[in-house]
Order: sequence, then C-alpha cells, then structure tokens
Amino acid sequence: DAGITQSPRYKITETGRQVTLMCHQTWSHSYMFWYRQDLGHGLRLIYYSAAADITDKGEVPDGYVVSRSKTENFPLTLESATRSQTSVYFCASSEWGAAYEQYFGPGTRLTVT
Amino acid sequence: AQTVTQSQPEMSVQEAETVTLSCTYDTSESDYYLFWYKQPPSRQMILVIRQEAYKQQNATENRFSVNFQKAAKSFSLKISDSQLGDAAMYFCAYRSASGANSKLTFGKGITLSVRP
Repeated sequence: DAGITQSPRYKITETGRQVTLMCHQTWSHSYMFWYRQDLGHGLRLIYYSAAADITDKGEVPDGYVVSRSKTENFPLTLESATRSQTSVYFCASSEWGAAYEQYFGPGTRLTVT
Repeated sequence: AQTVTQSQPEMSVQEAETVTLSCTYDTSESDYYLFWYKQPPSRQMILVIRQEAYKQQNATENRFSVNFQKAAKSFSLKISDSQLGDAAMYFCAYRSASGANSKLTFGKGITLSVRP
C-alpha cells in the first residue's frame, strides 16, 4: 500500500513490558516523526529523524527509543512501558524542507495497564 | 521556543453558517509556516490549509480561509457554509522555515461541532 502505515493500530500491554510501534512510508521521504496525542495537550513530538541513521529528541523523549536503519521505517520502542505512556501515537513523514506537508499515519492507540 | 495557543476548547456552529477558530502563536523568527489540521473521529490528521509567513495574502482553500495577522501573531481559520462533515477537532500548528528541524509545534486543539 502506498503512503504511511502504522502497526499495530491498537495495543494493550502491561506496565514494565517492552513494546514497539512500527511506522512505514513508501515515499522515500527524508523526515520522519513520532508524536503522541493526549487530551488537553494536542500533539507533542517524541523523536524525529532527518535521514537514515540520524535521529534527535523532541519535546517528550523520556522512556522512548527510536532507530532508523532504513529510510522507509521508523520504529518507536517503549523500553519499559508505564501508565503515563497510554496515548495515541502518530507517525508522520515529509520531504526535506519546511514548506512541505507532513503526512500522518492512522495512529496507534496504546493502553498500558 | 515557539508556542501555539488555541484558547477555545470547543465551538459549535449551525449548518450552513460561518465559524472562525482562533489561534495565536509566539515566535522570534520572521520566516515560518502555519497550518491548520483537521482530525475527524477516524483520527486521521488531514491538512486543511497552509500559510507562508512571508506572504501577505491570506490563504484560501474552497470553503476554508485564514486571517493571518503577522504583527499580532494571530492565525484564525474561517469555515464558510459549514457542513456536517466539518465536525472534527482542529489543530493549529507552527513550523520554522530555518534550520534542519522541520518539526511541527501544535496547539491543544479545538473541537468543532456542527448542528443540523
């Protein structure tokens, strides 16, 4: 499928477990982003990547790890999930340059019990 | 750091009427982009409209238009002839035009309901 996809769409996990959220884009966009959406906070940037093997922290990176070995994939790992990480997670991608639109994936709803 | 403020958490509009959603931002930069995104119940983020700060002319996209006041750092979205499908959460977002970081900074969003 063309575009940007996320998997899984829904995930329930227990506190302390490791969980990985996947993101895949077919456009070969340079930039990829991970945001979390929480009521009352809008979307906040967790991590972003300007190219393969280049990643940087966003506004709320604690408790998360990312990697980008291939341009098209940008997985987000919660090393030891906490209840405060219950959220909806969005992956996005864009071409290099601020004028370009960011395209968002459909989101993953993660619940940590 | 840039901030984006959407002070109204909810608004309601009658079908076929016009509604304006407010957004203010704070930045020390002169070159940037502003966006309005729509998020319907499906959760999909959809770009509604984009404004380049160096352009004085307000952007329009069909029934959607903006009132961009650079000096006041205000960026409101006007929806004309409101339709039931416009009911959604709307986010205002800022993006710097300089540097290598192309991240978006979002406001907290506003929930728009449309009354039939």
